[in-house]
Amino acid sequence: QKEVEQNSGPLSVPEGAIASLNCTYSDRGSQSFFWYRQYSGKSPELIMSIYSNGDKEDGRFTAQLNKASQYVSLLIRDSQPSDSATYLCAGRRDFGNEKLTFGTGTRLTIIP
Amino acid sequence: GAGVSQSPSNKVTEKGKDVELRCDPISGHTALYWYRQSLGQGLEFLIYFQGNSAPDKSGLPSDRFSAERTGGSVSTLTIQRTQQEDSAVYLCASSSTRDYGYTFGSGTRLTVV
Repeated sequence: QKEVEQNSGPLSVPEGAIASLNCTYSDRGSQSFFWYRQYSGKSPELIMSIYSNGDKEDGRFTAQLNKASQYVSLLIRDSQPSDSATYLCAGRRDFGNEKLTFGTGTRLTIIP
Repeated sequence: GAGVSQSPSNKVTEKGKDVELRCDPISGHTALYWYRQSLGQGLEFLIYFQGNSAPDKSGLPSDRFSAERTGGSVSTLTIQRTQQEDSAVYLCASSSTRDYGYTFGSGTRLTVV
């Protein structure tokens, strides 16, 4: 079992709709979670971080964390063609191990 | 500098040769990480430096891989006797605090022929 699992997609969403990206993790010691966006041929860029159970909103993006279910999600409202990219979920233990463990990513395509 | 700088951006090498990849982190960032990403794959952790602590080398795939970080700043990843399976994009990242995610460099695309 991979430590961080994501549906590889592709996920196709019409422009203006809500895109929902999901991630599960197996390490109950994971405390912090991150969503990265990676355009084709580019390096990942951080878009959201979340540490506590519940929702965290930043503009069109909302990250959700449920530690009991070991589940993290990213919602993108009013999806734009420029949101088309691969989205990487990552988790981190905050005690004695600072590395991020990444999922393999979900490819999102916004259809105009 | 303003961002994480990696060089070279592309490297083609013959199987069996040694290569060195360089990473210059954001000024003041104490943590530095190396990952690699093979075509269509996720990010594979290689090694992590934090300040003056011993590096976490748990992700290095073989003893052909080594890395050092001089003066708490620039890092060099060395791959000896390169193999075709070493072909990947090697990404360096740095961070300033455990409360934030990484900032990645633009990567070095390594091709072993």
